[in-house]
Amino acid sequence: DVKVTQSSRYLVKRTGEKVFLECVQDMDHENMFWYRQDPGLGLRLIYFSYDVKMKEKGDIPEGYSVSREKKERFSLILESASTNQTSMYLCASRRDSLVEQYFGPGTRLTVT
Amino acid sequence: ILNVEQSPQSLHVQEGDSTNFTCSFPSSNFYALHWYRWETAKSPEALFVMTLNGDEKKKGRISATLNTKEGYSYLYIKGSQPEDSATYLCASPTTGNQFYFGTGTSLTVIP
Repeated sequence: DVKVTQSSRYLVKRTGEKVFLECVQDMDHENMFWYRQDPGLGLRLIYFSYDVKMKEKGDIPEGYSVSREKKERFSLILESASTNQTSMYLCASRRDSLVEQYFGPGTRLTVT
Repeated sequence: ILNVEQSPQSLHVQEGDSTNFTCSFPSSNFYALHWYRWETAKSPEALFVMTLNGDEKKKGRISATLNTKEGYSYLYIKGSQPEDSATYLCASPTTGNQFYFGTGTSLTVIP
């Protein structure tokens, strides 16, 4: 059974804190993605990685960075959390665009 | 950025009704079209990946069609059941690696 796991389901952080969201996949996929989901806006791509140590900006990278030191792990970092980063964060992985994408369960982050 | 749109935004149907919703996408440089179902408190899961114009795929009571020339896909649910209640997302990848998701159709099936 394929799996994408995320380190936390719910997280509450204070403004200005550095926040780490971890994602692990067990399918040996090259491609991994971080999205955020906000009401009325759909899933928006923050960053993606197509290989270890490689990363590309998505549509809304401001305020975020990522790290991919191992193939199975992709981390999203909020350098200094702000209230407008309160959102649902979803990690995903896939082999390529012609096959399905596998999602993690999501992390609901609240920044107060 | 690819403009992927879904309609309606939300839908309430009675158990046993059949229903359908639409995903529209730019027809130029089409690569593929994905449908996902996202139930509350669960991960989105893939329903279909479609690539060919005229493609029709089926999984149980759910089916989807694809028209790449005019840039739309329909998702049909026959005889809706309460367990079909979910948000249905479509996504269109570019030839690179970016996926562009629609905002989803939220379906509620009333017992």
